[in-house]
Amino acid sequence: GAGVSQSPSNKVTEKGKDVELRCDPISGHTALYWYRQSLGQGLEFLIYFQGNSAPDKSGLPSDRFSAERTGGSVSTLTIQRTQQEDSAVYLCASSLVGGGNTGELFFGEGSRLTVL
Amino acid sequence: GENVEQHPSTLSVQEGDSAVIKCTYSDSASNYFPWYKQELGKGPQLIIDIRSNVGEKKDQRIAVTLNKTAKHFSLHITETQPEDSAVYFCAAGGYGNNRLAFGKGNQVVVIP
Repeated sequence: GAGVSQSPSNKVTEKGKDVELRCDPISGHTALYWYRQSLGQGLEFLIYFQGNSAPDKSGLPSDRFSAERTGGSVSTLTIQRTQQEDSAVYLCASSLVGGGNTGELFFGEGSRLTVL
Repeated sequence: GENVEQHPSTLSVQEGDSAVIKCTYSDSASNYFPWYKQELGKGPQLIIDIRSNVGEKKDQRIAVTLNKTAKHFSLHITETQPEDSAVYFCAAGGYGNNRLAFGKGNQVVVIP
């Protein structure tokens, strides 16, 4: 089944360390999103990639957060100098066509990050 | 930007009863309103969506109603079953937006 794949599924790290989270979207999907889900909170938008366009980074909470999407496929979300408030589930989603009203997002199962 | 409010935050229902979750949104330009279901340890999954040119949409035991004037929309689950227990997220989006704005989620518990 070629769904959205995320790794690692769980990551425990010490405060101050850098972490990388990976997302493999569904083949052929041009749009890729990163969302953050904190305990008791909704899905907080982080960043959006659409084809070869410049990404929409407006949701990144600080300059410690960055993301890349190489070759229009795999994406990596990097958090530098992690803080305890970064602890959350990081969800990646892809869709066939991007935008806020163009249809279904397919989510991965998420990467649970715990910062000690 | 768009702000989506979702209530109640938790809802317990007896198996076989109906469940209703309501959401409000702030941006009158939004025209797409999906509902996602998230089971424990999984990512959210689309269960139903509605666009602003209709007021109601139904798919078996689930339905969504939309009131654009009041800027609210609701998810209705009839004849609830234990497998309906999950977190449900509403969202809103529109032309010119890069992404959906999600509510905080509603924990639905179906009591056998």
